[in-house]
Amino acid sequence: AQSVTQLDSQVPVFEEAPVELRCNYSSSVSVYLFWYVQYPNQGLQLLLKYLSGSTLVKGINGFEAEFNKSQTSFHLRKPSVHISDTAEYFCAVSEGAGNNRKLIWGLGTSLAVNP
Amino acid sequence: DTGVSQDPRHKITKRGQNVTFRCDPISEHNRLYWYRQTLGQGPEFLTYFQNEAQLEKSRLLSDRFSAERPKGSFSTLEIQRTEQGDSAMYLCASSLGLQGGMETQYFGPGTRLLVL
Repeated sequence: AQSVTQLDSQVPVFEEAPVELRCNYSSSVSVYLFWYVQYPNQGLQLLLKYLSGSTLVKGINGFEAEFNKSQTSFHLRKPSVHISDTAEYFCAVSEGAGNNRKLIWGLGTSLAVNP
Repeated sequence: DTGVSQDPRHKITKRGQNVTFRCDPISEHNRLYWYRQTLGQGPEFLTYFQNEAQLEKSRLLSDRFSAERPKGSFSTLEIQRTEQGDSAMYLCASSLGLQGGMETQYFGPGTRLLVL
């Protein structure tokens, strides 16, 4: 079965600094990868996704991620973070054949941006 | 596009009581998912509907849990004889799924359940 590992449970960073949130998944023949963000007391919002094509994916709020098949990774990056980026970030992979595309999730990384 | 809505947003109940949650997906979406998220964890898949058909249930979904999507639109998740371990955020997501394809799941705000 598919699994997702987010290597850092908490990432503190200063405002305007770069950040990388790491995500690794277990190998699969074909895989679809997602990053979601969850702000306090809000639902999950899609940041970006990799379905196929270019391995560098750009998302909302200046985030991007790179799909690396050989390292089975999908790390999330932002060159300069803002206070408003403080949130919980979840990496997810789609598992399932046919029409059921349930998502398998990592445990999340709490990003704390400090002034 | 009004997004996915869930009701109620919060529910406090006593152990042994039954609770029911509702999810209204984005109107044209044919697929609907339920997930559960406990504190400090990522969401866990519970069950999945394609239109009105419930096509998969996780082993996490004990006999006390039942989900329906009677007309292929809104869905309900019922928990009977609640236990303290049922305390969690229950998330609903919907998507427009194409045959064999991958689509984006859009999430509702969740229902936070506390069982005392």
